[in-house]
Amino acid sequence: EIVLTQSPGTLSLSPGERATLSCRASQSVARNYLAWFQQKPGQAPRHLIYEASSRDAGIPDRFSGSGSGTDFTLTISSLEPEDFAVYYCQQYGTTPGTFGQGTKVEFK
Amino acid sequence: QTHLQESGPGLVKPSETLSLTCTVSGYSINSGHFWGWIRQSPGKGLEWIGSISHIGNTYYNPSLKSRVTMSLDTSRNQFFLNLRSVTAADTAVYYCARGASSPAAAGFWGQGTLVTVSS
Repeated sequence: EIVLTQSPGTLSLSPGERATLSCRASQSVARNYLAWFQQKPGQAPRHLIYEASSRDAGIPDRFSGSGSGTDFTLTISSLEPEDFAVYYCQQYGTTPGTFGQGTKVEFK
Repeated sequence: QTHLQESGPGLVKPSETLSLTCTVSGYSINSGHFWGWIRQSPGKGLEWIGSISHIGNTYYNPSLKSRVTMSLDTSRNQFFLNLRSVTAADTAVYYCARGASSPAAAGFWGQGTLVTVSS
């Protein structure tokens, strides 16, 4: 199975700052089927990005995804207070689907 | 608007079978897509359990394949998860989800249900 490694584990930032989250795959992700999720305490993960760079409907344009093959990035251009959460990447190009261990974006 | 809702026992005894139902509203499950299950536990993070297509093809995580069965009932617009021979390691929040482009896709999730395995 494909192992996804996210870095950093925790990102301490202030509102208005830029967040850059990394997701590295142990082998190439088929068709760049890489998704990003946001999760807040007590809630289900919320789907933000699919196919590495396409935003879901209703997701603000401060969220952007990039990358291909084995290296992917989620960028939040200017953090809003509601963006402080845990972010996961998932590859769904091959089964079994696999998730990264998460990056927590916390208030500095 | 599509809505997914998990239901089932919140407590299961070790060695017994965990059975969950996902009820879908706002979309007919036999119209397409993949219907999957994902779980989240503190120790193992998010884990894809498997999925079933709208025509009943199943895709299971090899790590759970020997214990998992998924099925669907299009007349009730529901799909199901059975996980046999559970242990404490199966304690988790279980989510059902809909995926569009591949068996492991999960673009839309239910709210999740906590299942605890304990005697």
